[in-house]
Amino acid sequence: DGGITQSPKYLFRKEGQNVTLSCEQNLNHDAMYWYRQDPGQGLRLIYYSQIVNDFQKGDIAEGYSVSREKKESFPLTVTSAQKNPTAFYLCASSPAEYGNNEQFFGPGTRLTVL
Amino acid sequence: GENVEQHPSTLSVQEGDSAVIKCTYSDSASNYFPWYKQELGKRPQLIIDIRSNVGEKKDQRIAVTLNKTAKHFSLHITETQPEDSAVYFCAAKSNYQLIWGAGTKLIIKP
Repeated sequence: DGGITQSPKYLFRKEGQNVTLSCEQNLNHDAMYWYRQDPGQGLRLIYYSQIVNDFQKGDIAEGYSVSREKKESFPLTVTSAQKNPTAFYLCASSPAEYGNNEQFFGPGTRLTVL
Repeated sequence: GENVEQHPSTLSVQEGDSAVIKCTYSDSASNYFPWYKQELGKRPQLIIDIRSNVGEKKDQRIAVTLNKTAKHFSLHITETQPEDSAVYFCAAKSNYQLIWGAGTKLIIKP
C-alpha cells in the first residue's frame, strides 16, 4: 500500500502532554511531509523535509516539531503549545521535491485530546 | 503565494451521469496539478494528474483539463458509479509544495 506507514492509528492525549507520531517509508523517497486534516477540511501542511537533517515549516508549524535523522523516518511531535491538536494527521513522501512527483500518503493517525 | 479554490464543496449526481469539479489557482508558475480521492477515514490517493505542458489527460472514465491562460483545471468523471462516492481534492504545485483545494464531497444517488 505505497510502503509508507504511520503509527499509532489512534492516539489519545491529555492536555499538557507532548506526543510523537511515527512515519516510516521504505520507498527510498527523498521528500517527506506532514499534513493536518480537520473534519470536512482540506490538507494543511505542517512541516516538510527535502533531505536528511533538513526540514522547513509549512503553513501551520506552530506547536509542532519534527526531525529527519534518517531518510526513512520523519516523526512529528505535537507539543503542549498546540492548543487544538485534535485532528487527523497524514504523512506523505515523494521521490523528489523539485520534480512534479506524486505524493504517497500513509494511513493516518487520528489524535484526540481528552 | 499560491492559492487554490475548489468548487463545488458538495456535488450530488445520479448514478450514470457525469460529474465535474473545478479548481482555480493563482500562481502562474505552478506546473503540476494532481487530483486525489479520499474515502471516509482513509488516506488520499492519486487518481489522475496533469502537467502544465498538457491541456487534457484521460484515464478510462476520468479526465482532467487544464487552461493555463485562465488558471483553472477541472476533473471530469463520466458514467458515475456508487464507488465514486468520496471526497476529491485538487492541488497545484508551487515552489516545493502542493497547495490543496478544500475538497468536494461527491455523492452518487442510486
